[in-house]
Amino acid sequence: DQQVKQNSPSLSVQEGRISILNCDYTNSMFDYFLWYKKYPAEGPTFLISISSIKDKNEDGRFTVFLNKSAKHLSLHIVPSQPGDSAVYFCAASDERSGYALNFGKGTSLLVTP
Amino acid sequence: DAGITQSPRHKVTETGTPVTLRCHQTENHRYMYWYRQDPGHGLRLIHYSYGVKDTDKGEVSDGYSVSRSKTEDFLLTLESATSSQTSVYFCAISDPSGGPNTGELFFGEGSRLTVL
Repeated sequence: DQQVKQNSPSLSVQEGRISILNCDYTNSMFDYFLWYKKYPAEGPTFLISISSIKDKNEDGRFTVFLNKSAKHLSLHIVPSQPGDSAVYFCAASDERSGYALNFGKGTSLLVTP
Repeated sequence: DAGITQSPRHKVTETGTPVTLRCHQTENHRYMYWYRQDPGHGLRLIHYSYGVKDTDKGEVSDGYSVSRSKTEDFLLTLESATSSQTSVYFCAISDPSGGPNTGELFFGEGSRLTVL
């Protein structure tokens, strides 16, 4: 059973508007939650993370919100830019399995001019 | 960029042949991982290593074996490749004890394997 779920395979947003990507998880033992960005033919690159003891983390245009009671996190991108178009993966870290990341299936974001 | 090199980057092989993918790191990170990425599945963990000669299975380990004889190298072997192992394989590294832990893994560029 997948422990990290991204239920929206794709999202289209206009340049300058907010992009909101959502993620749900089932395992309450996860200690870190991360977002990765991936372009075709490249490896995933780290975007932002949040500890399970926090509820918000901000880095420039990117903010991640964590709602532990709902087992839900979201990534906000404001303002969205065409260069943000990529596949975004939500991931959760489990210390019990060597800090390996459990990934969602990804959301393909398209930012249109 | 993290010093991670995967080889080969592209390989086409036939069903039943053995295949070895290599991941080489220059960061001296303790943990190394092999993932595969398939459409509709995201990235799934195959095996990981928490030190030299210390490895463990991930979510999709059947049909794969790994070895780590040196800190810098992590090998993924398909003893007898099948068409279902056609995929893009990513190596990743991390060192949670090396500083503030954000949970981050650093990924290589990927190795595209096609099994005919």
